[in-house]
Amino acid sequence: AQSVTQLDSQVPVFEEAPVELRCNYSSSVSVYLFWYVQYPNQGLQLLLKYLSGSTLVESINGFEAEFNKSQTSFHLRKPSVHISDTAEYFCAVSGEGQKLVFGQGTRLTINP
Amino acid sequence: NAGVTQTPKFRVLKTGQSMTLLCAQDMNHEYMYWYRQDPGMGLRLIHYSVGEGTTAKGEVPDGYNVSRLKKQNFLLGLESAAPSQTSVYFCASRPGLAGDRGFFGPGTRLTVL
Repeated sequence: AQSVTQLDSQVPVFEEAPVELRCNYSSSVSVYLFWYVQYPNQGLQLLLKYLSGSTLVESINGFEAEFNKSQTSFHLRKPSVHISDTAEYFCAVSGEGQKLVFGQGTRLTINP
Repeated sequence: NAGVTQTPKFRVLKTGQSMTLLCAQDMNHEYMYWYRQDPGMGLRLIHYSVGEGTTAKGEVPDGYNVSRLKKQNFLLGLESAAPSQTSVYFCASRPGLAGDRGFFGPGTRLTVL
C-alpha cells in the first residue's frame, strides 16, 4: 500500500532563511505527488504537484519541490521564507487505485 | 461555482448520539473522500468513493459509514459517536484520474463529549 512519511513534525526558521520540508513515499506503482498548504483555521490548498516530466516543480509563491525516484522523496524547499509562509504543509501521494494518501504534516513556524 | 461545501461547520455530540455530515460538490467530480485531521496524525482517509453508488474503506473506517446516492453528494455517518471521534473532518473531490489534484471543503469540527 502506498504511504507518505514527513520526517519533521515542526520546523522553526528565521524570516528570510531557506527551508526544506522533507517527504518520503512508498508505492508499488508509478506515483503522482502533491504538496498542500493549510493556513491557520482554513482548509487545504494545493501548493504544487508532480505528474511527469521535469523532476523539479515550482509554485507561484516561490516554493519548489524535486521528485527523486531513487530516493523515493519529494522534498519541498524555499530559498527565503516570509512570515506569511507560516502554515502546516502536507505531502500526498496518488497512484494505487484512486486513493489520495497524506503524510503527517509539517508545521512551519517563521520567527522574525 | 461553490466548489466543495460541508455541512455543518461545527457540531457537539454526546457519546452514543448519531449524526450525518454532508459533503457536496458542484464540479461533476467522480472521486470523493472523507478524511479526519488530528494533531500529529495528518489527514487520515476514512472512506472514499470513485463514482455514484460506490464506496470503499480507507485507513480508519471503523465507526463510520458512508453513502453516495447522488454524484454530487457524499455523506459520512456516525451511528454511535465516541469521544475518539472528536476531530476535524474534511471532504475532498477529484475529477477522476490518479494525477488529478484534490479540492477540499472548509472542514467540520466535531466534538464528542
